[in-house]
Amino acid sequence: SQQGEEDPQALSIQEGENATMNCSYKTSINNLQWYRQNSGRGLVHLILIRSNEREKHSGRLRVTLDTSKKSSSLLITASRAADTASYFCATLIKAAGNKLTFGGGTRVLVKP
Amino acid sequence: EAGVAQSPRYKIIEKRQSVAFWCNPISGHATLYWYQQILGQGPKLLIQFQNNGVVDDSQLPKDRFSAERLKGVDSTLKIQPAKLEDSAVYLCASSVTTGTYSYEQYFGPGTRLTVT
Repeated sequence: SQQGEEDPQALSIQEGENATMNCSYKTSINNLQWYRQNSGRGLVHLILIRSNEREKHSGRLRVTLDTSKKSSSLLITASRAADTASYFCATLIKAAGNKLTFGGGTRVLVKP
Repeated sequence: EAGVAQSPRYKIIEKRQSVAFWCNPISGHATLYWYQQILGQGPKLLIQFQNNGVVDDSQLPKDRFSAERLKGVDSTLKIQPAKLEDSAVYLCASSVTTGTYSYEQYFGPGTRLTVT
């Protein structure tokens, strides 16, 4: 089974709405990263949150991390059609040689 | 700054044939990764190099897959012989590593392999 599991698997929203997706993981981590993948730009790193951080912002993105619940959430505010993509969380464990383990992703469709 | 380069972008082969993929990481990135991404799934790490040494190849099917990173820069991933289930996108990524800590990974465009 995967270390990170995203929820929901798919999400459809109207432009301007917020999109929230969640990630749960099983073992202790050093950091958690979110990536976006679309056909035009491939897989792109969005934001990294370390295990001692609880919240991080980057533009219209807000990531939270709750290590007690082993979960993270990604919020995209005021979504745009260009945000249509698959979003993956990935957990990094130093003890595992800095191996990054990806979840199955959330497919987001933003309708204009 | 140039990104991670991969070639070819697309490859179609018949089962039991061999294929090779090439990756050139971002200059100065010590760590290089090969991932396999099957349609509808997240990327799965196949092998991780730090400089020219292998850090993790626990999920590499070694009976048919091989990878090398000569001189700690470019890398090639080979499949011989290919099976139908190898159809996937093969992603190469690189990252800066400081001591024992690796930062975010930068991905290449990938090679889409179709095995018929």
